[in-house]
Amino acid sequence: ELKVEQNPLFLSMQEGKNYTIYCNYSTTSDRLYWYRQDPGKSLESLFVLLSNGAVKQEGRLMASLDTKARLSTLHITAAVHDLSATYFCAVDIQGGSEKLVFGKGTKLTVNP
Amino acid sequence: EPEVTQTPSHQVTQMGQEVILRCVPISNHLYFYWYRQILGQKVEFLVSFYNNEISEKSEIFDDQFSVERPDGSNFTLKIRSTKLEDSAMYFCASTSGVGNEQFFGPGTRLTVL
Repeated sequence: ELKVEQNPLFLSMQEGKNYTIYCNYSTTSDRLYWYRQDPGKSLESLFVLLSNGAVKQEGRLMASLDTKARLSTLHITAAVHDLSATYFCAVDIQGGSEKLVFGKGTKLTVNP
Repeated sequence: EPEVTQTPSHQVTQMGQEVILRCVPISNHLYFYWYRQILGQKVEFLVSFYNNEISEKSEIFDDQFSVERPDGSNFTLKIRSTKLEDSAMYFCASTSGVGNEQFFGPGTRLTVL
């Protein structure tokens, strides 16, 4: 059974600081997704990482994938309050329905 | 920009009642999914649907649940006899093909009293 673990689960940081969220998964997969969720809202797609060594950046967020280590990171640079949200990583199980298995999420709070 | 839509946004029902949650996936997408999220918890897979049949379902998706694509555009999730523990946010998602990004709808918050 595929397990996806994120850490930390809660992250409180000051504006202007940098931090990294980690996502580990238990079985072979080379497709990993990062989503953002604001309270009471849906899941907004941030990044799709489709191969080993993939790196994508959008604004203050950068995601990377190491399929050999079964690890993805979401790096936050110079955080701002607007980044406060819950961030989920998800891995799909290849073959079959390609369902997504989500981590528990990292609730990020950026304080002024 | 095309998007997945869901109705209603909030459904309140009594335990034991039937509910139908509706979704309109993105029009050229072929794979459809239902996920649920109990308040404060992670998103869990319920069922996937392709080519007019269920391709996979989770342990959560028991005999009380069913899905249908009645008219080529809507994709519905029916819960026959709701339980208190069915209270959650239900998300519909669709994708154009395997390995492609899944797009999520805004969700339906189901409250079972």
